[in-house]
This record gives sequence, structure tokens and C-alpha cells, in this order.
Amino acid sequence: QDQLVESGGGVVQPGGSLRLSCAASGFNFRNYGMHWIRQASGKGLEWVTSIGEDDNSEDYLDSVKGRFTISRDNSENTVFLQMSGLRPEDTALYFCAKDVGANNRFFDLWGQGILVIVSS
Amino acid sequence: DIQLTQSPSTLSASVGDRVSITCRASQSFSGWLAWYQQKPMKAPRLLIYKASTLESGVPSRFSGSGSGTEFTLTIKSLQPDDVATYYCQQFHSYPWTFGLGTKVEIK
Repeated sequence: QDQLVESGGGVVQPGGSLRLSCAASGFNFRNYGMHWIRQASGKGLEWVTSIGEDDNSEDYLDSVKGRFTISRDNSENTVFLQMSGLRPEDTALYFCAKDVGANNRFFDLWGQGILVIVSS
Repeated sequence: DIQLTQSPSTLSASVGDRVSITCRASQSFSGWLAWYQQKPMKAPRLLIYKASTLESGVPSRFSGSGSGTEFTLTIKSLQPDDVATYYCQQFHSYPWTFGLGTKVEIK
């Protein structure tokens, strides 16, 4: 059964750092682009960052550029999101998602989400 | 950035009704659009991709159409299980963007 499981969320002070992980199972992880998408409470979905199948291509939402870094470990079937310089507006439920490959960047598998709260 | 405007923001209809949700894009693109369903406290679920292709396992009462700047998600016969918020998403160009969502309720 294809599955994505996020971990690493929590409460952090403004300016702090947090590292999210997303463990994949049930599919050939290295063949797909991976993404982080967030949702603030009561709000819509916002794409945050993507990493390509080949690990050489990364893209970021402008508001997180220079603060967030996405990476992947294909030997461990895991994608990471290193977040630093966190701001209250980064507070959200963060979803890990898989695309369908071949540069088709829509998302056919999602994790259950992990909560990040940035507050003093 | 491509902005996606969904309408209506809320939709209330009776069981068995045909309902449609519109997604209008700020730039034209051919078919690089997906639709998702999100139930409360759940992750989104892919329904439609490339504007009109039904994802495997999705009931056939869902359909998608459109191109250019206007796309539509249609539920042929609304069921109680369809109560959810629906989002469109473009995958034509970075940054990938979503519409603000349409909440569907049963009257």
C-alpha cells in the first residue's frame, strides 16, 4: 500500500528551526518528484517546495526561499524539509505529497500532514 | 504567477443535484489542471488531472472539462459523501498554485 508518513513537527519560537521528514513506502520512491504543501488553519492549500526525481532540481515558494531547504535520500525513501528563520506566518499543517512522475507536477499521494506552530 | 479563482466559494445543493465548480486562471494554459477533494481533518484526494482525466478509483459522477482560462468540475448527482472542499491546481508553471477552494454542502 502506497503511503507517506510525516514527522518532526512541533512548536518553535520565531526565528527557530525545524526539520520535517516524510517516509515513503509501497512505491519506487526514486522515480517521482516530491513536494511539501501547507495549509494554515481554516485556509486553502499552498505549495511550498518541490524536489525532482534526480535530486538536482529544487523549487521554492518565494516567501520561503533562503529559509527552507528540501532534500531527499533515495536509499532511505525519505524526503526532508529543513526550515529555519521560521515566522508566525509559517504556522500550518504541512503535507508531503508525491507527483506522478515524468514532470507531471500534480499530486496523487499525500501524507496525513504534520503540524508546525511558530509562536513565542 | 498564475492565479486561480474558484466560484462559488460555497455551494449548497440537494442530494441528486448536478453541481458545477468553476476555476478561472489568470493566464491561459492547455489542460495542466487538477482537481482535489478535501474532507475535514483529512489530506486532499486527487479526483481529476489534465483537466478531464478521472483518477483511478474516483466515482464516475465526477468529471472535469475546460481549457485556456476556464475549467469546470462537475458532480453529476450529488451524494452525501461528496460533502467536502474542492480545490483546483495548475501545474503549467512554477509556482504551482491552488484555487481558494469551494465548500460543498448538502441542503
